[in-house]
Amino acid sequence: QSQLQESGPGLVKPSETLSLTCTVSGGSISNSGHYWGWIRQPPGKGLEWIGSSDYTGSTYYNPSLKSRVTISVDTSRNQFSLILSSVTAADTAVYYCARPRLGFLDWLTWGQGTLVTVSS
Amino acid sequence: DIQMTQSPSSVSAYVGDRVTITCRASQDISRWLAWYQHKPGEAPKLLLYTASSLQSDVPSRFSGSGSGTDFTLTISSLQSEDFATYYCQQTSNFPLTFGGGTKVELK
Repeated sequence: QSQLQESGPGLVKPSETLSLTCTVSGGSISNSGHYWGWIRQPPGKGLEWIGSSDYTGSTYYNPSLKSRVTISVDTSRNQFSLILSSVTAADTAVYYCARPRLGFLDWLTWGQGTLVTVSS
Repeated sequence: DIQMTQSPSSVSAYVGDRVTITCRASQDISRWLAWYQHKPGEAPKLLLYTASSLQSDVPSRFSGSGSGTDFTLTISSLQSEDFATYYCQQTSNFPLTFGGGTKVELK
């Protein structure tokens, strides 16, 4: 069973770029057809899917974030990453990385989540 | 994009009560629906997938039903550990979308 762990800065300034990494342990990120994903939860709000990528680089993004988001997979490090540019206070949230059930789009395994605050 | 609407947004109940949460999709998603339980400070937990399939290690008091656009999550006898927020998510296609959540609180 894979385990996931998010890492990255907890504080980002407005207009700058948020960058997070998810390290996968207990299995190879390229050994399956998973669409690895990022999901966030702003304070007091619900869950929002950000985007997903498989190990070949095939990606899907939330249309509301598409112009600012890049998700990539590094098979050599068994990691996948999230880059969100031009952040504002509205991007303050707990960010989760997640793995779906094999071949499906429901989220079976989650990282613990990391709070990212956008503030000067 | 497929919009997911949950109701109610919150429900107050006693331990032992039967609780029902509904989720409506803006278009037909067949049975491509998942339910999650989310507690503060923890990662969300997958409870059910394909509308009614119980994820491993999830108690049988949780059940799901529905197809097409209308779905239901039922907790047959609420336990103290079930107080949490519940989300539905359509797993039919990208972009993936969640419902707004239903908070189950102690009455």
